[in-house]
Amino acid sequence: EVQLVESGGGLVQPGRSLRLSCSTSGFRFGDYSVSWVRQAPGKGLEWISFIRNKDYGGTTEYAASVEGRFTISRDDSKSIAYLQMNSLKIEDTAMYYCSRVPYGDYGGIDYWGQGTLVTVSS
Amino acid sequence: SYELTQPPSVSVSPGQTARITCSGDELTERYVYWYQKKSGQAPVLVIYEDRKRPSRIPERFSGSGSGTMATLTIRGAQVEDEGDYYCYSTDSRGGVFGTGTKVTVL
Repeated sequence: EVQLVESGGGLVQPGRSLRLSCSTSGFRFGDYSVSWVRQAPGKGLEWISFIRNKDYGGTTEYAASVEGRFTISRDDSKSIAYLQMNSLKIEDTAMYYCSRVPYGDYGGIDYWGQGTLVTVSS
Repeated sequence: SYELTQPPSVSVSPGQTARITCSGDELTERYVYWYQKKSGQAPVLVIYEDRKRPSRIPERFSGSGSGTMATLTIRGAQVEDEGDYYCYSTDSRGGVFGTGTKVTVL
């Protein structure tokens, strides 16, 4: 069974940092790309970051709203993806979802985690 | 970045057909994916690559597209199909979700 489990969310002050983890099982993690998607309270889904699999160099993409502040990475030996979030803003408050992308270069998401809540507030 | 526009809401009676559109100038060159999102739950893929349906998704869900518009159709909608639906498209620079459509079946 494909599983993705996010962790690391919580309450954090503006300007501080947080690192989210996405632990996976049930599939060969290294063969897949990963996206992070978030949903702010009462808002729609927002794609924020993507990391390709090793066959495509593990390169990354970011939404303009997080570029320069967030960093996506992966550890294929542990089947884990990460999202390092720096300089957090109140508008980063959202549920953050890790997701599996069955395409090397780019494409849609086939499985999602249950999400981890990030609240940015003073 | 480009935008994908959906109607805010669609309402049907049980057993009727619900159609949700997704429009965007760049859809002519990209696949569209559709997700169902219920409150408190993770999104679920219902259609991929414009018109393919995952095996776990009921046959009443189908996708189509023409030019700059894609459509998700739910034939014989059930109460359990209520929720928010999002179209999604990607290119080498990243992904974009549609504005979302709230589907009500009552």
